[in-house]
Amino acid sequence: EAGVAQSPRYKIIEKRQSVAFWCNPISGHATLYWYQQILGQGPKLLIQFQNNGVVDDSQLPKDRFSAERLKGVDSTLKIQPAKLEDSAVYLCASSLVAGGEAFFGQGTRLTVV
Amino acid sequence: QQPVQSPQAVILREGEDAVINCSSSKALYSVHWYRQKHGEAPVFLMILLKGGEQKGHEKISASFNEKKQQSSLYLTASQLSYSGTYFCGTETPDKYNFNKFYFGSGTKLNVKP
Repeated sequence: EAGVAQSPRYKIIEKRQSVAFWCNPISGHATLYWYQQILGQGPKLLIQFQNNGVVDDSQLPKDRFSAERLKGVDSTLKIQPAKLEDSAVYLCASSLVAGGEAFFGQGTRLTVV
Repeated sequence: QQPVQSPQAVILREGEDAVINCSSSKALYSVHWYRQKHGEAPVFLMILLKGGEQKGHEKISASFNEKKQQSSLYLTASQLSYSGTYFCGTETPDKYNFNKFYFGSGTKLNVKP
């Protein structure tokens, strides 16, 4: 069974630039999560989708971050404009049902300089 | 709402036991445990639902005390492969009775030969 796919693996951008991350969850998984993990900290949930609807985006900085999940499958997370403090690993995860076992992708390491 | 984990770090010799604790100031619906090795994505270990159950996974087991809003992860006869950072994640109902998920800050476990 294919796992959660994310791209790119690494990205370096200058502050105030834009960046987008892509995630393809495990087939059939209705729930998709985007997490931000700053070095030395636990993952922080940014947004949770149930199919293509948002169920929790309370910790998403909506002035600069946006996310969408088209047709309830793939998802993209965008940052515009990026700040230095956005440097982190962005993890995508999916689960069969909300609150169930989550499978994580390898993540995208973003460095903002 | 982020759960508190203790200790922050543990160093063990192979074969020794360890306990990692996770506590919340809010009522818990469930507790999840994940292990993350350096540079890798978190990997699911187990979920405990409210009801005070205990679960086991090889030599790794966990308990959930709903009244105390706490969970403990028990690692028995540790192996080198157990090294990594352990995160608990908690589901807490908000005022709309929607379960919100938060990861703790992690416990770094280092098992030495």
